[in-house]
Amino acid sequence: GAGVSQTPSNKVTEKGKYVELRCDPISGHTALYWYRQSLGQGPEFLIYFQGTGAADDSGLPNDRFFAVRPEGSVSTLKIQRTERGDSAVYLCASSDRTGGSDTQYFGPGTRLTVL
Amino acid sequence: DQQVKQNSPSLSVQEGRISILNCDYTNSMFDYFLWYKKYPAEGPTFLISISSIKDKNEDGRFTVFLNKSAKHLSLHIVPSQPGDSAVYFCAASDQSNTGKLIFGQGTTLQVKP
Repeated sequence: GAGVSQTPSNKVTEKGKYVELRCDPISGHTALYWYRQSLGQGPEFLIYFQGTGAADDSGLPNDRFFAVRPEGSVSTLKIQRTERGDSAVYLCASSDRTGGSDTQYFGPGTRLTVL
Repeated sequence: DQQVKQNSPSLSVQEGRISILNCDYTNSMFDYFLWYKKYPAEGPTFLISISSIKDKNEDGRFTVFLNKSAKHLSLHIVPSQPGDSAVYFCAASDQSNTGKLIFGQGTTLQVKP
């Protein structure tokens, strides 16, 4: 079956611009997570959706970052007034949390470069 | 505060030998642990997991061991193959919470033919 997909695969933008990153989770997965991975580091948690609601947004670095999941499937991560420090790979993962053990499956990521 | 640590940034082994990757954690609330493999320009691929109620889980060439008293887990790959060369991340979560994963920094494994 289809895995998690993310678009675009690469995004280059200028400092101060607005960007949107899209995630299509595995069909039927109710849980969706966004992570950010900087060079040489492991992924870091940003936000978690259970259905349509953001159940945990404690990892968002500041109020320039926002994410939505209006219909409980596709999610969009939005970054306003981008800064060079936002450059990283943004990863999306989904899981079926009804089973008790939460194995998260990741998409290929979006590499964001802020010039 | 690094809750999950992989202290070896790299490991090199000969094809056919055992690879042992280690991971330590500090949060006693973690109850589910996973290993992911990552190739360049790809997302992490799930390898194997273990619940805190177990101390060992095996899947083919991959075995994960969990020592709760030491807050330590390890991934054994035997026999190692050149295609196993990748970055390996361990991750932990508290399933009673949101289940968000806390990752280690990763270990780059090179398997030499």
